[in-house]
Amino acid sequence: KQEVTQIPAALSVPEGENLVLNCSFTDSAIYNLQWFRQDPGKGLTSLLLIQSSQREQTSGRLNASLDKSSGRSTLYIAASQPGDSATYLCAVNSWGKLQFGAGTQVVVTP
Amino acid sequence: ETGVTQTPRHLVMGMTNKKSLKCEQHLGHNAMYWYKQSAKKPLELMFVYSLEERVENNSVPSRFSPECPNSSHLFLHLHTLQPEDSALYLCASSPGKGPWNEQFFGPGTRLTVL
Repeated sequence: KQEVTQIPAALSVPEGENLVLNCSFTDSAIYNLQWFRQDPGKGLTSLLLIQSSQREQTSGRLNASLDKSSGRSTLYIAASQPGDSATYLCAVNSWGKLQFGAGTQVVVTP
Repeated sequence: ETGVTQTPRHLVMGMTNKKSLKCEQHLGHNAMYWYKQSAKKPLELMFVYSLEERVENNSVPSRFSPECPNSSHLFLHLHTLQPEDSALYLCASSPGKGPWNEQFFGPGTRLTVL
């Protein structure tokens, strides 16, 4: 059974610092991995999708890497802003099912 | 309307009530999903529909009854719920049900069961 872990559970950084969010998974037989953002009480916004054949994906200040063999993905957010405050979820697609981690709650202080 | 919409956004119901959650996708997708997000727990997949056929039911209690009348609409009918069913219910859609498909989520319905 696929298990997805996100560490740390919460993170607070001053504005301008780079953010590093970690996601690990137990079964390397994945099709893809998605990173989502969730604002309090709201739905999920897809940030990046990395297919299993890819090593990284970039979108603006966001960069996500994938190391399937070690069961890890990292989301980097450069030059963080207060508007980046949210919960970040990673989800691994195994056999057509998305398995979610519990998320990392991020606070960026001005 | 664009993307995936859900109504109502908030719902409070008693344990003896019957209510329904509605999801509509405007993306031309063929697969739709219901997820449950309880406090401090990861999202849990409840149901998957592909071309209006239920292809997945993740051991969900029968007090939750999904319905997919067409590829654009998905309902979750609720009856005799328990307080522990209080959660954020999220709907998602994808172009197909294959694992390479990206899922797009709605804003969710916040359900409180008294």
